[in-house]
Amino acid sequence: GQSLEQPSEVTAVEGAIVQINCTYQTSGFYGLSWYQQHDGGAPTFLSYNALDGLEETGRFSSFLSRSDSYGYLLLQELQMKDSASYFCAVTPRGSNYQLIWGAGTKLIIKP
Amino acid sequence: DSGVTQTPKHLITATGQRVTLRCSPRSGDLSVYWYQQSLDQGLQFLIQYYNGEERAKGNILERFSAQQFPDLHSELNLSSLELGDSALYFCASSLREYTGELFFGEGSRLTVL
Repeated sequence: GQSLEQPSEVTAVEGAIVQINCTYQTSGFYGLSWYQQHDGGAPTFLSYNALDGLEETGRFSSFLSRSDSYGYLLLQELQMKDSASYFCAVTPRGSNYQLIWGAGTKLIIKP
Repeated sequence: DSGVTQTPKHLITATGQRVTLRCSPRSGDLSVYWYQQSLDQGLQFLIQYYNGEERAKGNILERFSAQQFPDLHSELNLSSLELGDSALYFCASSLREYTGELFFGEGSRLTVL
């Protein structure tokens, strides 16, 4: 089967750096996506890694290592508004290309 | 603002009833997806349409159906509603048929009493 695993909850301090990991088991995929969702809000696309390595967008960076079946989202200079759930998702190769989603990581930021 | 519009934003109805949720994708996007999210749960993929044709089905109940119209807007019909159908229903759109970049609407919150 195909699945993604994320920690259910991560706690960090305002101003710090936090890394949210995503490990996956899938036979093959096109890329790894990250989404942010505030409570009661809509998921918002953050990043997409088609290739191994680090993609940086402002305070957020995303990393993919296909050889390690692993990716992560790195959030720097944490702000209270970053408190949200973060979902990783892969676009699998195959007859059904629907995104496979992780269960989400709730990021709690303390002042 | 993602550019995806969903109506209604909130809906309260009774068990056994039928409701229709509507979605207008971003301008130019051909693909529409429907997702269900129950309280504090992840995103459950229901169904995808691309340019009017069904492309993929997820865990969509037989009581649920959807369609995408020629103007690319989509509707999700939920019938014989049960208490467990209470959830946020998201519509998302994308330009390409297969992509990791989806744009989500604000969702329709359905409460079944």
